[in-house]
Order: sequence, then C-alpha cells, then structure tokens
Amino acid sequence: NAGVMQNPRHLVRRRGQEARLRCSPMKGHSHVYWYRQLPEEGLKFMVYLQKENIIDESGMPKERFSAEFPKEGPSILRIQQVVRGDSAAYFCASSPPMTPRNEQFFGPGTRLTVL
Amino acid sequence: QQPVQSPQAVILREGEDAVINCSSSKALYSVHWYRQKHGEAPVFLMILLKGGEQKGHEKISASFNEKKQQSSLYLTASQLSYSGTYFCGTEGNYGGSQGNLIFGKGTKLSVKP
Repeated sequence: NAGVMQNPRHLVRRRGQEARLRCSPMKGHSHVYWYRQLPEEGLKFMVYLQKENIIDESGMPKERFSAEFPKEGPSILRIQQVVRGDSAAYFCASSPPMTPRNEQFFGPGTRLTVL
Repeated sequence: QQPVQSPQAVILREGEDAVINCSSSKALYSVHWYRQKHGEAPVFLMILLKGGEQKGHEKISASFNEKKQQSSLYLTASQLSYSGTYFCGTEGNYGGSQGNLIFGKGTKLSVKP
C-alpha cells in the first residue's frame, strides 16, 4: 500500500513565477492537509480539504495561495507570483474519515526554493 | 494557540529515559505526537483522544491530562534511532473544523552512544 506521494520533491522557482505542488493521498484516505515548515521550525497548518471541498483554509495566506482537491487526481497547492519568503518545505498529509479521529500520514514533502 | 513544548532540546546516552511535555492554553480533543528526522517527513507515533483512547506504537507511551490540557511523551531505554525532533500537534475541542493540527515548535532529542 503506497504511502502519501508528493511531487516534485524539489522545486526551484524565480521570483514572480508560479509553483504547483501535488499530493496524492494514501489509498482509502479522503482527507488532505497541507502544512508549511520553515527551517528549524515546526509545521504550520495551511489548509484542510476533502474531495471537491475546502473544509478549513484558515492557515492559508489570503493572496497568491490556493488549494484544490478535485474529484479525480491529486490535491494541488498553487502559489502564484512566488517571493523569497515562500521558500520552505511543504508537506501534505492524509487521513481516513475521522470516526473517531485518525492519525495523519505525511508525505515526503516538496522543498521549494525561490531565487 | 500554539502548544508549548518542553524541553526545547535534550541530550541522552543510550538507555536513558526522557519525557517531553506539551501544553495548550485551549481545551483539547486530541494530541498527536510525531518524530521527524532531518530532511525527512514527520512520522506518526501516537494519538491520544479525549476520553482516554490511545493509538500508537507499543514501545512509546504517552499521557493526556484533559483538565490541564497537557500531554507527555515517555521515551524509555532510548536507542540511537530515537534521535530526531519530536512534535506534538493539538486538535481543539471546538465545533466547526476538526482535524487540522496546531503543532508545537518541537523538542530536539539527541541520543549518544
């Protein structure tokens, strides 16, 4: 059973370009979460999605960032017009339906570097 | 709102024990513990739910004091492989969104031979 998959693992962008990060949850998991981690810091929640629905985006910056989890295909985190401050590791996690609460399984992360 | 972890860092010799604490200022529904090695993804260790249910590894134990909004992770007879940064993630006991975790800043554990 494959784990959470993220690609690309490393992404380099110049300021002003767009970054598109993909996440495929574990089989049977319907919940996806995106987190951002700066060097030597903890994980910061960004957004929580179920298929075709954004459940909680309270951690997402209001501008330039968007996320989706379509009916078919991976979840996408999109960052438009990237700036140097967007450089970080972006992790996605997935979990099965929460009855009761379930652990979240993390993917290997995408390390974004903005030049 | 971010839980506070203590200590920030700890150095152990193989075989020694350690306790990592996590406390929140808000009522909690669950506490999740993860270990992350440098450059890798966080790995799930333990989840503690309101009401006493626990899920996790056999060799790692933890406690959850709902009234004090605190959790502790107990690492006994530490091994070299225990080295890494330990994060607690808390889930609030409030209506609306469930599932998103607020993580502490982490406790860096180094186990020396």
